[in-house]
Amino acid sequence: DQQVKQNSPSLSVQEGRISILNCDYTNSMFDYFLWYKKYPAEGPTFLISISSIKDKNEDGRFTVFLNKSAKHLSLHIVPSQPGDSAVYFCAAHTPGRRALTFGSGTRLQVQP
Amino acid sequence: GAGVSQSPRYKVAKRGQDVALRCDPISGHVSLFWYQQALGQGPEFLTYFQNEAQLDKSGLPSDRFFAERPEGSVSTLKIQRTQQEDSAVYLCASSLRWGLAGTIEETQYFGPGTRLLVL
Repeated sequence: DQQVKQNSPSLSVQEGRISILNCDYTNSMFDYFLWYKKYPAEGPTFLISISSIKDKNEDGRFTVFLNKSAKHLSLHIVPSQPGDSAVYFCAAHTPGRRALTFGSGTRLQVQP
Repeated sequence: GAGVSQSPRYKVAKRGQDVALRCDPISGHVSLFWYQQALGQGPEFLTYFQNEAQLDKSGLPSDRFFAERPEGSVSTLKIQRTQQEDSAVYLCASSLRWGLAGTIEETQYFGPGTRLLVL
């Protein structure tokens, strides 16, 4: 039973355009959501997070939006750059636990 | 080095063989995590240490999996009598200490992983 789902395995966008990566979750107890970025042969790298009491968090070109009623979050990258090409994982934190619950990832390709 | 390191990077084992995977966390990081990532999937939690204490091992799939961190720094994940379904990338992560979720203290920094292939 996947509690965090990324239904799009891949996404391709043109350089300079917006990339929107989506994530859905089922567990309403999650209190924090994170996005990790992974390049081939490297471990995931933390990108940005959002508390469940917020609906938006912005860091430079990266913005995460949270819609609690829909149990949906999205990562917006504007403008997209070729160096953003990677696999993006959505992850969620459960209160009282240290482990993160990850989605299956979305491979983003930014075309020059 | 400044990051989490893991060794070996690649391991090929025959079914039934025992393997040991090593993780060197970031110096001074109290918390250490092991995750298993199957092909095409996200990382799945295996176990968590705070210093040398294994506080959560709820994700270990069977009693063939054993992890230790005897001195609160380096950790070893051991898999006994490996099976083909154990083939995956094993990721180690560390964080500074216990803190509020989303804080810098709680941010998990991942190593590059060990890719295990069981034939």
